[in-house]
Amino acid sequence: DAGVIQSPRHEVTEMGQEVTLRCKPISGHNSLFWYRQTMMRGLELLIYFNNNVPIDDSGMPEDRFSAKMPNASFSTLKIQPSEPRDSAVYFCASSFKEGASSGNTIYFGEGSWLTVV
Amino acid sequence: AQSVTQLDSQVPVFEEAPVELRCNYSSSVSVYLFWYVQYPNQGLQLLLKYLSGSTLVKGINGFEAEFNKSQTSFHLRKPSVHISDTAEYFCAVISLTGGGNKLTFGTGTQLKVEL
Repeated sequence: DAGVIQSPRHEVTEMGQEVTLRCKPISGHNSLFWYRQTMMRGLELLIYFNNNVPIDDSGMPEDRFSAKMPNASFSTLKIQPSEPRDSAVYFCASSFKEGASSGNTIYFGEGSWLTVV
Repeated sequence: AQSVTQLDSQVPVFEEAPVELRCNYSSSVSVYLFWYVQYPNQGLQLLLKYLSGSTLVKGINGFEAEFNKSQTSFHLRKPSVHISDTAEYFCAVISLTGGGNKLTFGTGTQLKVEL
């Protein structure tokens, strides 16, 4: 059984460049989450989708960040323009509907390690 | 608002010794509670969860946790640790009312098992 698949696993980019992170959730899951992990702030929920619809994007840090889910098997998180303070590990996760609020397990991908120099 | 406190940022322990990782939560309503483990350079993996029923929850890899409503705690325990348990452990909480699906994580506890 394939888990949540993220790409790229590692990215180093220059300040000002556009970064696109990709995610394929577990087949059959209809909730998708983007988290960011840093030493300073720990794990933060950026945005989550139910049935491809963004439900809560209150965690998105600023307008430079955007996320889309064009279909049930694909999502992107885009940062444009990127800044050094965006350096972090970005996790995509998926679950059956409503995730933890329904007691469902959230399954995490292995993360995309982003470094902005 | 909900929050999670993991007081210990690091816990060193010798192999085969017991360990307890502490977690306290804050919420004015009923909650679900979770423990996740993160091995180096990997994503998070669910160890166990408390939804309702018995307050003692058993998870994978020999871990268990006890939900204590009066003390608002959900401490993780293992009677005998192994080197392979070295990892970071995250406690997480979600409130059942108030809408939303925001699973709030603690800051993590690094468990280091030594020979």
